[in-house]
Amino acid sequence: QSALTQPASVSGSPGQSITISCTGTSNDIGAYYYVSWYRQDPGKAPKLMIFDVSDRPSGVSDRFSGSKSGNTASLTISGLQADDEADYYCFSYTSSATYVFGTGTRVAVL
Amino acid sequence: EEQLVESGGGLVKPGGSLRLSCTASGFSFSTFSMNWVRQAPGKGLEWVSSISSSSNHIYYSDSVKGRFTIARDNAKNSLYLQMSSLRADDTAVYYCARNSLGHRSSWYFFDSWGQGSLVTVSS
Repeated sequence: QSALTQPASVSGSPGQSITISCTGTSNDIGAYYYVSWYRQDPGKAPKLMIFDVSDRPSGVSDRFSGSKSGNTASLTISGLQADDEADYYCFSYTSSATYVFGTGTRVAVL
Repeated sequence: EEQLVESGGGLVKPGGSLRLSCTASGFSFSTFSMNWVRQAPGKGLEWVSSISSSSNHIYYSDSVKGRFTIARDNAKNSLYLQMSSLRADDTAVYYCARNSLGHRSSWYFFDSWGQGSLVTVSS
């Protein structure tokens, strides 16, 4: 049950687009379309941003989009805003009927 | 308003035990699978355990298997995590989280979270 691999940090200027990668294995990301993404602000509970690879819950901006190719999932934030600064975690169901989070990515807006 | 509220955290000595509770309100608790997720200070999120709506499917991460027990009481709208043989590396904020009900989606993500309960394992 090794954590999914994410870059420790990603940064961009306001208005730019950034992409956070999330690499797993054929037993998790590669096996299912059950990848979700969570945003976490300091001292707060995680918040769902993307589910089932690319679907957005109601209330989440369409600037957030998700995709998957093979064993790697990605979260793209378009039109980056200062308010997007937070930690982002990917998450996947696994073939063992368990779950695994990514290592987390700190997004910084320059 | 849908709400999950954890309680029971605190300071415990290595080797000790503690039981966390999560009380649900504002939704039909008995319909949903539930989970515990933890986060060590300054670290990332770690899935700990899950339990199906009727308690017939239970899973644990390798890091807690054999030491932690998840349970629920649907009559009390409550989820529990019994933690034993606690170690320093179990120190974390523990969140309860609800699986999606699967309406126009899969069940395999968490759509509601509690605010967390801090467990500190230290002598």
